[in-house]
Amino acid sequence: KQEVTQIPAALSVPEGENLVLNCSFTDSAIYNLQWFRQDPGKGLTSLLLIQSSQREQTSGRLNASLDKSSGRSTLYIAASQPGDSATYLCAVTTTSGTYKYIFGTGTRLKVLA
Amino acid sequence: EAQVTQNPRYLITVTGKKLTVTCSQNMNHEYMSWYRQDPGLGLRQIYYSMNVEVTDKGDVPEGYKVSRKEKRNFPLILESPSPNQTSLYFCASSFGSGTPDTQYFGPGTRLTVL
Repeated sequence: KQEVTQIPAALSVPEGENLVLNCSFTDSAIYNLQWFRQDPGKGLTSLLLIQSSQREQTSGRLNASLDKSSGRSTLYIAASQPGDSATYLCAVTTTSGTYKYIFGTGTRLKVLA
Repeated sequence: EAQVTQNPRYLITVTGKKLTVTCSQNMNHEYMSWYRQDPGLGLRQIYYSMNVEVTDKGDVPEGYKVSRKEKRNFPLILESPSPNQTSLYFCASSFGSGTPDTQYFGPGTRLTVL
């Protein structure tokens, strides 16, 4: 059964730091992997989607990489800002004919001004 | 504005009283899904629908029902709610049914079952 893990569960950094969030999954048979951001009391906002055939995707200060064979993805945030404070979740899509999304439990990020 | 809407946003009810949480999207998406989010457990998929009249169980379907009679709507039904269904519920949709794609989430429904 596919399991998705995110470490650390919480992270606090000073403004301006570059940081890396980690996501690991147990079954490499995925269709894609997505990173989301969730602000308190709000829904999820999609940040990046990486197809299983891709190695990375970039959007502004965000870069996500995927190493399917080792079951790992990282989200790199450059020059962090207080507005980046949120919970970041990764999700993989299974490849079982119909498809399901399996989420990690998230990393709660706080960027200090 | 392209969006996924859920109603109600907050609901307090009692054990056994049937309820429906509505979900609607205006993006002509094929795929729709329901999740619940609990502390320490993350988001777990309850049911999903690849397109109209096609639904399938996610990881935690017990105690829930869904129907997909129209492309835009995907209501979640709790026939006899119990306290362990107290949770934050999210509806989501995405464009493709044959190709998993970026999901768009509703704002969430916070349900409390007493």
